[in-house]
Amino acid sequence: EPEVTQTPSHQVTQMGQEVILRCVPISNHLYFYWYRQILGQKVEFLVSFYNNEISEKSEIFDDQFSVERPDGSNFTLKIRSTKLEDSAMYFCASSEMMNTEAFFGQGTRLTVV
Amino acid sequence: GESVGLHLPTLSVQEGDNSIINCAYSNSASDYFIWYKQESGKGPQFIIDIRSNMDKRQGQRVTVLLNKTVKHLSLQIAATQPGDSAVYFCAERALGGATNKLIFGTGTLLAVQP
Repeated sequence: EPEVTQTPSHQVTQMGQEVILRCVPISNHLYFYWYRQILGQKVEFLVSFYNNEISEKSEIFDDQFSVERPDGSNFTLKIRSTKLEDSAMYFCASSEMMNTEAFFGQGTRLTVV
Repeated sequence: GESVGLHLPTLSVQEGDNSIINCAYSNSASDYFIWYKQESGKGPQFIIDIRSNMDKRQGQRVTVLLNKTVKHLSLQIAATQPGDSAVYFCAERALGGATNKLIFGTGTLLAVQP
């Protein structure tokens, strides 16, 4: 069964450093998303991406965040200068169409120290 | 350091019993709803969805009920098994608009006792 894959599974970084979280969405999907989940809290929407551009972003997705689809398979989330409060599980998701179910990856646990 | 998080509602059931997990949604413009299951350390896993033109949808051992009048969604799991133990989230989305983001609820921890 096709699945969304994310790497790495766990990333530890020092405050102020840049991190790039990587995702390979399901191959025939057109819509891509990043969500995050701070420990013990809700899953929160960060950004959606379609046709090589951001289609929507939340208030959390400020200038420190960026997304890119550098090739035909990868979808990345970059945090330029990490803060302690960026520590969370980051989930990538994809959907075939805008109004179809979103499939989530296993997540990357980001720990900022 | 001490972490502060939401206190998850917990539903404890015996193996073999039926489980009902409830969710209240807030946005009357939402017309697509999904239930996700999240096991510890894993991503949300799609269980079942329902559109607002329906009030009931059945899957394998699961049924989702939608009451738009009171903005309430429920997930029924028949013959609950230990493998059903997880956190269950409802999520909503407004179809037909500019947004395709999912808004997740707080989550309910389902604990199945053998």
